[in-house]
Amino acid sequence: AQSVAQPEDQVNVAEGNPLTVKCTYSVSGNPYLFWYVQYPNRGLQFLLKYITGDNLVKGSYGFEAEFNKSQTSFHLKKPSALVSDSALYFCAVRTGGYQKVTFGIGTKLQVIP
Amino acid sequence: EAQVTQNPRYLITVTGKKLTVTCSQNMNHEYMSWYRQDPGLGLRQIYYSMNVEVTDKGDVPEGYKVSRKEKRNFPLILESPSPNQTSLYFCASSLSMIISTDTQYFGPGTRLTVL
Repeated sequence: AQSVAQPEDQVNVAEGNPLTVKCTYSVSGNPYLFWYVQYPNRGLQFLLKYITGDNLVKGSYGFEAEFNKSQTSFHLKKPSALVSDSALYFCAVRTGGYQKVTFGIGTKLQVIP
Repeated sequence: EAQVTQNPRYLITVTGKKLTVTCSQNMNHEYMSWYRQDPGLGLRQIYYSMNVEVTDKGDVPEGYKVSRKEKRNFPLILESPSPNQTSLYFCASSLSMIISTDTQYFGPGTRLTVL
């Protein structure tokens, strides 16, 4: 079985400040982790993913995520938030050989001007 | 333009009236999937398909059917819709489920209301 937890329904951050959106996971085996973003009235868009190797993964729009195996976490980060980053962010996980992808419930990011 | 399309985008129907939501991708992707998005529950997978004529249940398959007769199309069928199927539905596709090619591309969504 696999699961994802996004403990915060909403994250508020001031424009220009660093942001973190949290994600923890539970899998049997090696995890493959994703972040997707959903802008209002749009489908989800891929941001980045972790497969193996370097624990810091860089993705689109200046976002990065840090994989921490001991804490089973994959937090999304950005050094300086933009108002245009305001959206719904989903963390997702799957394991190799398993075709299902499990998504978290989403975290709404609000960047305040 | 590479894309996943869904039709209709919005649909209001009544309980018990059969409906089909179409999904089509033009990227020659093998893997296709349907999700529903509900407040507080996030995205939940309904069905997925690894290739033509190969489909399998996701986490919430009850009340839904799918078929994959062609690689590009993956329709979602609600034979007798009920109000608890009111939701926002997304179709997605990826090249395959090999680790290096499993990034999913999502359609724009279909907002379904069942009265």
